[in-house]
Amino acid sequence: EAQVTQNPRYLITVTGKKLTVTCSQNMNHEYMSWYRQDPGLGLRQIYYSMNVEVTDKGDVPEGYKVSRKEKRNFPLILESPSPNQTSLYFCASSFGVMNTEAFFGQGTRLTVV
Amino acid sequence: GQQVMQIPQYQHVQEGEDFTTYCNSSTTLSNIQWYKQRPGGHPVFLIQLVKSGEVKKQKRLTFQFGEAKKNSSLHITATQTTDVGTYFCGQAGGTSYGKLTFGQGTILTVHP
Repeated sequence: EAQVTQNPRYLITVTGKKLTVTCSQNMNHEYMSWYRQDPGLGLRQIYYSMNVEVTDKGDVPEGYKVSRKEKRNFPLILESPSPNQTSLYFCASSFGVMNTEAFFGQGTRLTVV
Repeated sequence: GQQVMQIPQYQHVQEGEDFTTYCNSSTTLSNIQWYKQRPGGHPVFLIQLVKSGEVKKQKRLTFQFGEAKKNSSLHITATQTTDVGTYFCGQAGGTSYGKLTFGQGTILTVHP
């Protein structure tokens, strides 16, 4: 089954404790991206990757890191999480950025206390 | 960066009433995509529009792209309770080729 898999689905952590949210897709997509969803603000893009070893900042990259060592995986890293990073996070993938639909993962609800 | 504004933020309707959400930009959009997110779920692609004045239909849903490619709308005829969710518009590319920028979303509630 074609899908984008995120883990974990839920995470409660403390301020400053490094964490990684994994994202994997099995559709051989070149383009992958991360979003955070907050009430009233919609989906805001954090980082995106056009292909392996190619990543770039989205609209809200501060406090996040990503890597794209393999085509299928695009982990999101929070080196030192803060409470303002409490949010719902989505990973998405597509064949390209233009004129192709994005497939979203199930989401990761992160709470930083 | 380029902003895509979506209105209204909330819409409550009685089942059977129509619903419309609008997506507006101050600059020309290269394309517009629409997604639906059910409560507790993830966004799911509905459609993409690329041509000026384009109109596409999916059963009770009608999607339009403005002639100037600065606005788009999603209209649902005779809403059903299964239409509940958040509807997002988004643009791929724009000021930066790799970016996918979404509007704030419209949360639709349908009362039976």
